[in-house]
Amino acid sequence: DAKTTQPPSMDCAEGRAANLPCNHSTISGNEYVYWYRQIHSQGPQYIIHGLKNNETNEMASLIITEDRKSSTLILPHATLRDTAVYYCIVRVASNNNDMRFGAGTRLTVKP
Amino acid sequence: DAGVTQSPTHLIKTRGQQVTLRCSPISGHKSVSWYQQVLGQGPQFIFQYYEKEERGRGNFPDRFSARQFPNYSSELNVNALLLGDSALYLCASRRQQGMADTQYFGPGTRLTVL
Repeated sequence: DAKTTQPPSMDCAEGRAANLPCNHSTISGNEYVYWYRQIHSQGPQYIIHGLKNNETNEMASLIITEDRKSSTLILPHATLRDTAVYYCIVRVASNNNDMRFGAGTRLTVKP
Repeated sequence: DAGVTQSPTHLIKTRGQQVTLRCSPISGHKSVSWYQQVLGQGPQFIFQYYEKEERGRGNFPDRFSARQFPNYSSELNVNALLLGDSALYLCASRRQQGMADTQYFGPGTRLTVL
């Protein structure tokens, strides 16, 4: 699985959009980009995933560059409850493939 | 639908003891994975089971074992506990969505080894 690079920490003002970047320059054509978040001492929560097209759901939007070497997770209106560690994971989406978590980005939403 | 459930929530053991952790996947999910998360680090993959067969194993010693039952629930066993086994143990069940699959995590079992 391709490795990912994320900033260790970011701050965001409550009510503003939070844009979390992820670099995955060695991504292969069959690898998906997944985003999870983990609020303190809880299990990781699935947010969104995509292959090459931008994706949006009720939680967030995922923007993947045309060359697929980087992506951005967008939380459109961050709230204090969005404070968490956000993990970007790149993997082949097959039944035999586990999730490889890095250190993630610690997002702090401030009032 | 109920999410992934794990039991117990917390557990305290002493070195050398054995522990069994339990996981029930989301209804309809046939695959379960186990992860260990040491404080301050991301989760590390231990095992994956699909249809009661082991499909993947991470870099963990043989003291760690698991199994999956006909109802797709799973147990993780750790023998001869060490202080370093203290961690949050996470279970995830997997749903196939077209060409991709998504894992949904339970709340975890916090194991403390004294």
